[in-house]
Amino acid sequence: GAVVSQHPSWVICKSGTSVKIECRSLDFQATTMFWYRQFPKQSLMLMATSNEGSKATYEQGVEKDKFLINHASLTLSTLTVTSAHPEDSSFYICSAKDPLAKNIQYFGAGTRLSVL
Amino acid sequence: EDKVVQSPLSLVVHEGDTVTLNCSYEVTNFRSLLWYKQEKKAPTFLFMLTSSGIEKKSGRLSSILDKKELFSILNITATQTGDSAVYLCAVGRSYNTDKLIFGTGTRLQVFP
Repeated sequence: GAVVSQHPSWVICKSGTSVKIECRSLDFQATTMFWYRQFPKQSLMLMATSNEGSKATYEQGVEKDKFLINHASLTLSTLTVTSAHPEDSSFYICSAKDPLAKNIQYFGAGTRLSVL
Repeated sequence: EDKVVQSPLSLVVHEGDTVTLNCSYEVTNFRSLLWYKQEKKAPTFLFMLTSSGIEKKSGRLSSILDKKELFSILNITATQTGDSAVYLCAVGRSYNTDKLIFGTGTRLQVFP
């Protein structure tokens, strides 16, 4: 299957700082990427859909100014958690849709964010 | 409201057992159902099902979809400790084909 790389895998930051997470499709071009949040022992919660060259589409209840998404190229999307607070601590996973495989999303390894 | 429900929530078996994981859905404009395996980190793709009654098979894993009764099952035969994971079911719709609706997952633990 297609390969999606996510970096960093783990980050600790102080409250009030911003953290950037990168998601790259390594062997295909992804016009659409997705950002999910996952709480312990729960399923994936879609936060936003990232479209190359246009603004991201956020799910209801997700703060656009809090979670900034940029999809500047066909292989890279970034999620920036701005002014992070302890309640933002979570596991964030990105995925990318392979245009040659309808509706199959390939996932990155995830980023564990801990805000002190 | 669209929803995907998986059962059981968790399952504990011994190596060699056969398990069946269930996924039922109520989703408007159904297009496809996908199964993923999530170990410690990233979910990995297993199967995508779009047609009823056609079994998909990969080694000891197989899956089938029933679009009339709105469910799918994932079978794992001769389980191994490496099968221990959370198995996620997700449904895609024919409109807004980008988004997937995920179930809460089934946590499978296989003991030697």
